[in-house]
Amino acid sequence: RKEVEQDPGPFNVPEGATVAFNCTYSNSASQSFFWYRQDCRKEPKLLMSVYSSGNEDGRFTAQLNRASQYISLLIRDSKLSDSATYLCVVLYSNYQLIWGAGTKLIIKP
Amino acid sequence: GAVVSQHPSWVICKSGTSVKIECRSLDFQATTMFWYRQFPKQSLMLMATSNEGSKATYEQGVEKDKFLINHASLTLSTLTVTSAHPEDSSFYICSAELGTSYTDTQYFGPGTRLTVL
Repeated sequence: RKEVEQDPGPFNVPEGATVAFNCTYSNSASQSFFWYRQDCRKEPKLLMSVYSSGNEDGRFTAQLNRASQYISLLIRDSKLSDSATYLCVVLYSNYQLIWGAGTKLIIKP
Repeated sequence: GAVVSQHPSWVICKSGTSVKIECRSLDFQATTMFWYRQFPKQSLMLMATSNEGSKATYEQGVEKDKFLINHASLTLSTLTVTSAHPEDSSFYICSAELGTSYTDTQYFGPGTRLTVL
């Protein structure tokens, strides 16, 4: 079983729709959690950190469920420019970053 | 499948020494691997694109003589930080590209933390 798992997609979603991604992690000692966005062959960019209480940044909401060991990302009112690969990343206490394989999102007009 | 490893995971060295970091795709072949440097607040900077059997392509501002990249096989790329200085201390991350007919996906390694004293 992979340490960090994501549905690879692709998710084909009409513009304006709401889309949700889930990510599960296997090591309960995981310390910090992040969502990154990566455009094709470009460097991943930090989208948001994920806090236990959940956090929101505009159209994006991230949540962490430590008991079930998963994190989620919700995108509301999706735009064409949201098309990208979304990577779930988990930081372990030894400062190792474990990356999910990413979920590809395609927003269609 | 599709696991990428890095070795070492953490290295401390003296200023002026060289450090080699390995990036391996464990269960797939990767024609292309990427090397990133991670800065505070988690942003990543692409340093270079490593292509098996040919010279790496460096991003603007990255010194190719200081950061030597060798992609000798389809499962191994190495990054050597030559004459390391404290400002080179950082988290170095590699990724390997798995290409198929339908998707090109990058799989990321766990990173190598370099501390130069």
